[in-house]
Amino acid sequence: QVQVVESGGGVVQPGRSLRLSCAASGFTFSSHYMHWVRQAPGKGLEWVAIISFDGSYTLHADPVKGRFTISRDNSKNTLYLQMNSLRPEDTAVYYCVKDRSNAWSFDYWGQGTQVIVSS
Amino acid sequence: QSALTQPASVSGSPGQSITISCTGTSSDVGGYNYVSWYQQSPGKAPKLIIYEVTNRPSGVSNRFSGSKSGNTASLTISGLQAEDEADYYCSSHTSRTTWVFGGGTKLTVL
Repeated sequence: QVQVVESGGGVVQPGRSLRLSCAASGFTFSSHYMHWVRQAPGKGLEWVAIISFDGSYTLHADPVKGRFTISRDNSKNTLYLQMNSLRPEDTAVYYCVKDRSNAWSFDYWGQGTQVIVSS
Repeated sequence: QSALTQPASVSGSPGQSITISCTGTSSDVGGYNYVSWYQQSPGKAPKLIIYEVTNRPSGVSNRFSGSKSGNTASLTISGLQAEDEADYYCSSHTSRTTWVFGGGTKLTVL
C-alpha cells in the first residue's frame, strides 16, 4: 500500500535551518509529482511546494520562496524540504503528499512532522 | 493568493444531508475543474475524498458528492453518520500553477 513517512522535524531557533525527509513506498515514486503542505497549530492547510517526477520542475509558495527548497532522490525514493532562514510563522506540521496524476490533487498524505521555530 | 472561502462550521443530525460551500475566483475555482476536497479527523492527516470537482477515489463512500457552479464549489454529504464528524477543506489549482485551500469547515453531527 502507498506510504509516505516524514522525518526531520524538531525545535529550531529563528534564522536557523532544518531539512525534512519523506520516505515513499508502495508506488512508483519516480513517476509522480510530489508536494509539501503545512498546517500551523489550530489553522488550515497551506500548500508549500511541488516537484516534478524527475526533479526538473519545482515551484514554491510565495511565503517560502527563496528560503525553502524542495528536492528528491528517486534512487532512494525520498523527498526533501530544505528550510533555511526559518521564522516563527513557519511553525507547523509539514506533510509530504503524493500528487494524484492528471488530477492536480493531493492523493496520499503522510502523518506529518512537527516543526517549531522558537527562541 | 487568498484562501478560498468556506463556512467555519456546519451541523446536521444523523441521516440528514449537509452541503459545504467553497468560494473562490475565476483564477482558481471558476477557471479550472481541479477542485478537490479533504476530510481531516482530529489528530489525523487529511484524506482525499473528492477530486476534479465530482470524482471519488476508490474506497470513498458514495454519500460524498461534489459539484461546482461558477466560482463556487460544493461538497454534499448525504445520510450523515457520526463518523463524518471532522474538518473539511476544499482546494483548487490556480492560474499561477499553485494551489490554494479553503479555511476549513468543522462538521458537527448532532
